[in-house]
Amino acid sequence: QVQLQESGPGLVKPSETLSLTCTVSGGSVSSGSYYWSWIRQPPGKGLEWIGYIYFTGSTNYNPSLKSRVTISVDTSKSQFSLRLNSVTAADTAVYYCASHRFIAAAGLDYWGQGILVAVSS
Amino acid sequence: DIQLTQSPSSLSASVGDRVTITCRASQSVNSYLNWYQQKPGKAPKLLIYAASSLQGGVPSRFSGSGSGTDFTLTINSLQPEDFATYYCQQSYSGATWTFGQGTKVEIK
Repeated sequence: QVQLQESGPGLVKPSETLSLTCTVSGGSVSSGSYYWSWIRQPPGKGLEWIGYIYFTGSTNYNPSLKSRVTISVDTSKSQFSLRLNSVTAADTAVYYCASHRFIAAAGLDYWGQGILVAVSS
Repeated sequence: DIQLTQSPSSLSASVGDRVTITCRASQSVNSYLNWYQQKPGKAPKLLIYAASSLQGGVPSRFSGSGSGTDFTLTINSLQPEDFATYYCQQSYSGATWTFGQGTKVEIK
């Protein structure tokens, strides 16, 4: 069974870059079986899909965040990462990493526990 | 972008009730529509994928239906552990993915 764990700073200053890593165990980011996604949830609000990456490096991003987001994959460490630059208070959220089987007829089946990132000076 | 609109935004129900939540897409997503349950402080949990397929380990009182633009999540005989927020999400091939705004199911 795939397990995911987010890690990174819990506090980021405005205008700086938010960087998070998701470590995958029980599966391989290079297996080709999954898309690897990031999703976020501002406090008290709904879920927002940020984007995904495939092991080949192919990505798909939410258009509303596309200009500020980069998702990358490190197959040697079985990790994938999120970078969100020029953050503001509106980027304060719980950030989740999740997996989605490499077929359209599937859902986000495995999730990390989430990490709260606050943007504040 | 494909927008997903859930209704209602919240509902009150009693244990044993049958609950229906709808999700409407702004354009066809074929059957690439998924449903999640989220409890406070927890990550979402996949319940239904591809509109009507029950994820492994999910109780059979949960069911999904629909295709194209109109979808339904039904909970038969609501249990105490089912009080939570439910989200739909589309994973239509070639499109950017989106979530509905959520439906909170509360105890009446």
